Amino acid sequence: NAGVTQTPKFQVLKTGQSMTLQCAQDMNHEYMSWYRQDPGMGLRLIHYSVGAGITDQGEVPNGYNVSRSTTEDFPLRLLSAAPSQTSVYFCASSMGVMRNEQYFGPGTRLTVT
Amino acid sequence: KQEVTQIPAALSVPEGENLVLNCSFTDSAIYNLQWFRQDPGKGLTSLLLIQSSQREQTSGRLNASLDKSSGRSTLYIAASQPGDSATYLCAAGDNAGNMLTFGGGTRLMVKP
Repeated sequence: NAGVTQTPKFQVLKTGQSMTLQCAQDMNHEYMSWYRQDPGMGLRLIHYSVGAGITDQGEVPNGYNVSRSTTEDFPLRLLSAAPSQTSVYFCASSMGVMRNEQYFGPGTRLTVT
Repeated sequence: KQEVTQIPAALSVPEGENLVLNCSFTDSAIYNLQWFRQDPGKGLTSLLLIQSSQREQTSGRLNASLDKSSGRSTLYIAASQPGDSATYLCAAGDNAGNMLTFGGGTRLMVKP
């Protein structure tokens, strides 16, 4: 199993550009989520999904969209990038609704200039 | 709103020492409490998961305890090794089991 994969690893955007961060898992996990990690702020939940076709907002959803058309994939879309979205983004998955340990991807480091 | 705090933010110990990392949370109505390890530039690796009905979990040299009534969890590392150097994060799962709230982490350095 590849586990949780994220692409790209690094990305630089200009303010106002849009992009999609990809996340995929091959463990047939129902629950997937996106976090951002900022210095001194810890990890904060952006959006999560408890299964295909079901998504919900986390703590900091503004400026981000998600969809879950398949069990395997959970892409995160930045609609109009802002410097405040400069961060490291992590995708995570687990079997069931967080009753089991979370598996994290390696992260995407995003810089918005 | 749940708030999770980890103290200290950084810790340096000599190899072989036993140590305790602390995690506190403000809302005791949690679903579970998880401890993670993060190496520089890497993702998080789950270490221990304690369900709300449990008091502790053990894995090798690691032991995590949970006291919901006082809003505290501790991660005990026995006989620390330089390979244990990393950032350790705790996270509290909300009562619906849908969201994790993370602490800021403790950066541990174990010196040979």
